[in-house]
Amino acid sequence: DARVTQTPRHKVTEMGQEVTMRCQPILGHNTVFWYRQTMMQGLELLAYFRNRAPLDDSGMPKDRFSAEMPDATLATLKIQPSEPRDSAVYFCASGLTGRVGELFFGEGSRLTVL
Amino acid sequence: SQQGEEDPQALSIQEGENATMNCSYKTSINNLQWYRQNSGRGLVHLILIRSNEREKHSGRLRVTLDTSKKSSSLLITASRAADTASYFCATGVAAGNKLTFGGGTRVLVKP
Repeated sequence: DARVTQTPRHKVTEMGQEVTMRCQPILGHNTVFWYRQTMMQGLELLAYFRNRAPLDDSGMPKDRFSAEMPDATLATLKIQPSEPRDSAVYFCASGLTGRVGELFFGEGSRLTVL
Repeated sequence: SQQGEEDPQALSIQEGENATMNCSYKTSINNLQWYRQNSGRGLVHLILIRSNEREKHSGRLRVTLDTSKKSSSLLITASRAADTASYFCATGVAAGNKLTFGGGTRVLVKP
């Protein structure tokens, strides 16, 4: 059963600490997205990769956030230093480009920054 | 920023009734998709409608798209308690699969 896997599922940390969230996209998918979900802002697109190359990270605060795909099976989202306003659920999704199609979402990483 | 706005924000119905929710968007689109999110879970794709289509069905789901009004509706017929979830519309503006999500409609189906 192919699925997007995200770790950790829950993370509580203190302000100023580094946080790294990981995502394993579905094997064979070549697009990866990071979304952030909060009650106030809803689902916001943070970063978008195609064939491991970053295409759009305009939604991401550049001073503290970074997103990478070291290889086709791993995407990372790093926050350094973390702030209380970063508290949210972070979702990774993957899909196939070249066709109009759906995105497959992971279960999310719930981040709480104290 | 959100492309779509959904209406209503919340909906409470009895099991067996139909649930209708609407999505309006601002720019021209290539496709519009609907997703469901159960509490504490990720989003799950329900149905996709392309910009040249007007209506699509999938099981108990019916989606309409009016590109002249930049709006879409999702109808869930004969609702069940298991349909309790948040429903999101998402728009794609190109043939790729980058999506912009609306704020969602929370649906409560009472048994």
